[in-house]
Amino acid sequence: GAVVSQHPSWVICKSGTSVKIECRSLDFQATTMFWYRQFPKQSLMLMATSNEGSKATYEQGVEKDKFLINHASLTLSTLTVTSAHPEDSSFYICSARDSSSGRAYEQYFGPGTRLTVT
Amino acid sequence: AQTVTQSQPEMSVQEAETVTLSCTYDTSENNYYLFWYKQPPSRQMILVIRQEAYKQQNATENRFSVNFQKAAKSFSLKISDSQLGDTAMYFCAFTPSDSSYKLIFGSGTRLLVRP
Repeated sequence: GAVVSQHPSWVICKSGTSVKIECRSLDFQATTMFWYRQFPKQSLMLMATSNEGSKATYEQGVEKDKFLINHASLTLSTLTVTSAHPEDSSFYICSARDSSSGRAYEQYFGPGTRLTVT
Repeated sequence: AQTVTQSQPEMSVQEAETVTLSCTYDTSENNYYLFWYKQPPSRQMILVIRQEAYKQQNATENRFSVNFQKAAKSFSLKISDSQLGDTAMYFCAFTPSDSSYKLIFGSGTRLLVRP
């Protein structure tokens, strides 16, 4: 149980275009999802917390208008990188909480999405 | 500010031997949760072990065990009988018991298991 998927696993886009990444909880309802960014050989950096039906909460230094997050249902959150530039190239990971489980504090991670902007 | 520190960027161990990865954290809270995650080359984050701060007993999961020293704010991971498949990045992480449930990660330790 507690499986989280991400789509696509790898995307290449041209500079100036937008790209959407989907995060889905497959076998549980996730009231809260998190989006992380990971540069090569570095740790995970939390970008934002996404709550179903409300606006995402962004971490300090993360541009809200560049990284649009939508959590329209209890099983789906999306991250849209708008007007992407090469410096946005990175590995993006989502996670989700199962608030109904006995371990509501625990996060389940998706497999990640590699974004390359050319 | 709450922080997690992993002071060993890289570690190496011979197959079948034991290795310990270090982690310290800083928080003023009394209730929280600690985790060790493994990130193999596939980059999928895999939960290795968890520890609830209110539990004095150290958590164990098969070959993996922790040494949780709450007063010292230390949370080390011991891997016994190391296997080649244990080669990965290992991240120590902390989450407070407040409603945010944010995970704070350490910088990671790259573990290489030598055949």
